[in-house]
Amino acid sequence: EVHLLESGGGLVQPGGSLRLSCAASGFTFRNYAMNWLRQAPGKGLEWVSAISTSGSSTYYADSVKGRFTISRDNSKNTVDLQMSSLRAEDTGLYYCARKDWCFDLWGRGTLVTVSS
Amino acid sequence: QPVLTQPPSASASLGASVTLTCTLSSGYSNYRVDWFQQRPGKGPRFLMRVGTGGIVGSKGDGIPDRFSVLGSGLNRYLTIRNIQEEDESDYLCGADYGSGSIRWAFGGGTKLTVL
Repeated sequence: EVHLLESGGGLVQPGGSLRLSCAASGFTFRNYAMNWLRQAPGKGLEWVSAISTSGSSTYYADSVKGRFTISRDNSKNTVDLQMSSLRAEDTGLYYCARKDWCFDLWGRGTLVTVSS
Repeated sequence: QPVLTQPPSASASLGASVTLTCTLSSGYSNYRVDWFQQRPGKGPRFLMRVGTGGIVGSKGDGIPDRFSVLGSGLNRYLTIRNIQEEDESDYLCGADYGSGSIRWAFGGGTKLTVL
């Protein structure tokens, strides 16, 4: 069964750092671009970051550029999101999503709360 | 980038039909939109993509025939026929922009209540 499982969320103070991880299973991970998206409480989705199949190309929303870093390990079938200089507005449920011609597979999300 | 607008809520009776709307901002009438279903406590589930000519590509895995889409002008519609209890969900729409279909904008979602 194809599956994505996010982990690493938690409570962090403003200015702090957190590393999210997404473990993939049930499919050939290296063949797919991967994305992180987030959803603030009561809000719609926001695309955060994307990484190409090889990891050589990365992309970021303007709201996180310079603070977040996406990476992947095709030998371990994982994609990570290193988040630093966190702000209250980064609070939300962070989803990992596989991108084929559409976002066809999503995890259940991991909750990040930025608060003092 | 496009702005996508969705009514925050909708309701329909069991067995009835409902049409949900996602409206693109001015100047984006040729953009395609993806529809997603999000049940409580779960990640979004891809339903299908819609342009002004209707569905683009295929539906997501296991999406029943009761779900269909249409597009007209700036509006992208998702219609659900013969509504079932399990259709009570948030419905989200999103569109990619810029080169390479990398960046995405999303609407605020419509919460569908089944009466």
